[in-house]
Amino acid sequence: EVQLVESGGGLVKPGGSLRLSCAASGFTFSNYNMNWVRQAPGKGLEWVSSFSSSGNFIYYADSVKGRFTISRNNAKNSVYLQMNSLRAEDTAVYYCARMSWFGEFDYLDHWGQGTLVTVSS
Amino acid sequence: AIQMTQSPSSLSASVGDRVTITCRASQGIRNDLGWYQQKPGKAPKLLIYAASSLQNGVPSRFSGSGSGTDFTLTINSLQPEDFATYYCLQDYNYPWTFGQGTKVEIK
Repeated sequence: EVQLVESGGGLVKPGGSLRLSCAASGFTFSNYNMNWVRQAPGKGLEWVSSFSSSGNFIYYADSVKGRFTISRNNAKNSVYLQMNSLRAEDTAVYYCARMSWFGEFDYLDHWGQGTLVTVSS
Repeated sequence: AIQMTQSPSSLSASVGDRVTITCRASQGIRNDLGWYQQKPGKAPKLLIYAASSLQNGVPSRFSGSGSGTDFTLTINSLQPEDFATYYCLQDYNYPWTFGQGTKVEIK
């Protein structure tokens, strides 16, 4: 069974840093692109970042570019999101999601339960 | 970035109704679009990928259509467990972008 378990969320002051982790199991982690998606309280979903299985491609939303860094450790079946210079508008539940594919089509087929990040003084 | 305009933002429907939700892309995205269902306090769930392909295990009352800029999610014979918020997501190019969501409520 595919499982994704996020951790590392919490309360942090504006300008602070936090590192989220997502531990994967039940599939060959190194074969899959991994993503982070967030959802501010009462708001819609926002794609944040993607890290390809090969490590050749990393993408960020404009709203986090230069402040957030995605990384992965295939030996530990984990993907991470280092968040620096945090702002109040980064307050959200952060989801880790696996990207699968069928032919040329990609999609997010498995999601973790999410971890809440609150940025407040 | 490609903008995804989803409508309506909310709707009220009864069990057994047919429901249609639309998503329009600001530029052509072929059929690189997925539909996701989210219930309160839960992670999103993939329903449809490649605009019209049903994800394994998803009931056949869900269907998707469209290509280019205009897409539709249809729920035939709405069931009690279908009351949720639905999002489209374009995966044509980065940054991926979601629609604003459609909340389906009980009439």
